[in-house]
Amino acid sequence: QVQLVQSGAEVKKPGASVKLSCKASGYTFTSYPIHWVRQAPGQRLEWMGWINAGNGNTKYSQEFQGRVTFTRDTSASTAYMELSSLRSEDTAVYYCARDLSVDWGQGTLVTVSS
Amino acid sequence: DVVMTQSPLSLPVTLGQPASISCRSSQSLVYSDGNTYLNWFQHRPGQSPRRLIYKVSYRESGVPDRFSGSGSGTDFTLKISRVEAEDVGVYYCMQGTRGVTFGPGTKVDIK
Repeated sequence: QVQLVQSGAEVKKPGASVKLSCKASGYTFTSYPIHWVRQAPGQRLEWMGWINAGNGNTKYSQEFQGRVTFTRDTSASTAYMELSSLRSEDTAVYYCARDLSVDWGQGTLVTVSS
Repeated sequence: DVVMTQSPLSLPVTLGQPASISCRSSQSLVYSDGNTYLNWFQHRPGQSPRRLIYKVSYRESGVPDRFSGSGSGTDFTLKISRVEAEDVGVYYCMQGTRGVTFGPGTKVDIK
């Protein structure tokens, strides 16, 4: 069955960067895009962008343009999301999702605090 | 940017009774290919979100047929014909026609 397993919780200081991973299994990794979505406490889901796991092309939400980078390692069937210049408002649960459909990771809590 | 709104934001329902959630977009969601990329997601407490409905009215595999989606243009509706306890959670509409935008979510709980 399809599984997306995300890396563990992170605590970062303002101004730092964080890099999360999303390891896929149960399907051909390069055949589907991976989207990244986050949810800050009490807020709606917020789309960050996606990466074409096949060719590595990316599309970023304007909200995060310049601060976020998506990469992938096809040999490890793993997608990565790096967010830089962290601020307290970036405290959220970050999800990866295959094709923004039924298959999502379990989420990674990122806490930004001084 | 396309702005998505939902109503109500909170929906207490009685088990076995129907429920309906409205979603509106600030622009038409009809894409140049003729499709309307309006999806509905369910986010149960303690779980990850999952897509229930795509392209307005197509149910994902395994989604109970008590869930149905309808609408066109800028106005869309998710209906649950008979609410069950497992339906408790937050429901989001999401447009994928012009970028990706989620609605604010509708919290469904049992009266």
